[in-house]
Amino acid sequence: TQLLEQSPQFLSIQEGENLTVYCNSSSVFSSLQWYRQEPGEGPVLLVTVVTGGEVKKLKRLTFQFGDARKDSSLHITAAQPGDTGLYLCAGGRGSQGNLIFGKGTKLSVKP
Amino acid sequence: GAGVSQSPSNKVTEKGKDVELRCDPISGHTALYWYRQRLGQGLEFLIYFQGNSAPDKSGLPSDRFSAERTGESVSTLTIQRTQQEDSAVYLCASSFVAGAARNTQYFGPGTRLTVL
Repeated sequence: TQLLEQSPQFLSIQEGENLTVYCNSSSVFSSLQWYRQEPGEGPVLLVTVVTGGEVKKLKRLTFQFGDARKDSSLHITAAQPGDTGLYLCAGGRGSQGNLIFGKGTKLSVKP
Repeated sequence: GAGVSQSPSNKVTEKGKDVELRCDPISGHTALYWYRQRLGQGLEFLIYFQGNSAPDKSGLPSDRFSAERTGESVSTLTIQRTQQEDSAVYLCASSFVAGAARNTQYFGPGTRLTVL
């Protein structure tokens, strides 16, 4: 059972375009994290959201946590080739230490 | 060191052999996690350690998998009698404490295991 569903699985766009990646679940999470992973490396944390409805901005990236804390989205404005990578969402559940990861969205931004 | 380190970076082994993967967490981090990432997939939780508490082994896929941690230091993940389906990248992460909502997990580069 995949607790966190990410979509789309693959995304190939041109430089300058906007995109949104979705992370959905039927379960409630106490926190939702977004990671970016490049080939041969471990995931690197981009942001953590913990409050329902929370919106965080990181330069051209906007992250939103759903009101019910079951879903999240990542929006990238004016994508650049440097944004290319695997984007992973991960949910945390209170005292449970491990994160539950989605399968990831593989983004390719062509110049 | 400045980050989480893992060794070896690559390991090729024959089916049926045992392998040991090592993780050195960030100094001062009390929590340590092991995940598995199959090709093109997300991360699958295996086990985590928090201080001197009993580890949470709920993600280990079979009794061929085990892990140990020496205090709040290095950890070793052991896979006995490896199978081809064990081929994956094994990632280690550490954090100050486990379970805190804003607690960041820092990942190592992973060990790519190939079972022939």
